[in-house]
Amino acid sequence: DAKTTQPPSMDCAEGRAANLPCNHSTISGNEYVYWYRQIHSQGPQYIIHGLKNNETNEMASLIITEDRKSSTLILPHATLRDTAVYYCIRHSNYQLIWGAGTKLIIKP
Amino acid sequence: ETGVTQTPRHLVMGMTNKKSLKCEQHLGHNAMYWYKQSAKKPLELMFVYNFKEQTENNSVPSRFSPECPNSSHLFLHLHTLQPEDSALYLCASSQEGDSNSPLHFGNGTRLTVT
Repeated sequence: DAKTTQPPSMDCAEGRAANLPCNHSTISGNEYVYWYRQIHSQGPQYIIHGLKNNETNEMASLIITEDRKSSTLILPHATLRDTAVYYCIRHSNYQLIWGAGTKLIIKP
Repeated sequence: ETGVTQTPRHLVMGMTNKKSLKCEQHLGHNAMYWYKQSAKKPLELMFVYNFKEQTENNSVPSRFSPECPNSSHLFLHLHTLQPEDSALYLCASSQEGDSNSPLHFGNGTRLTVT
């Protein structure tokens, strides 16, 4: 099963850190963990990805547990424009299985 | 601007019409994808092209016909569609065979079949 498990929805206050969890307990050694987000009526937007180590870029941080069975996407200072559906995907070559994602709502 | 451009943004067509969706990428990628996103459903992979050769066809009905004339352009030809084919059709590109390369998506074509 190449799926990941995410909570269907989350709220976060504007200015706070948003922490989005993802479970990928059956991930194999060569599969990357990717995060994308989709704002209404747009295509998915790449955020960040990693294999084993924690990663950070200008958008977010990705924390991957040592056993690689789960990860957390962190948006350090959420803004209203971060309201979107966030997808955690396992990626090995062309095999990407998209789930329903987490609908993140940032509240003023 | 994502580097992947899809046209048209919106399309309404009857079940007997023939139309085409167009995708163009300016990122130097050599793999291109068509995805379908129906309401309340996850993204579904339809086709993958790798160096202009089709490498994936996920049991898509023949009323959807892809074409990839070069590594920068991808088309989806549509004919005799059904109302249940109404959806957001997304094009994406990436570096072939490199799972360390993210997908870059266009903003999609919102298709309505009447």
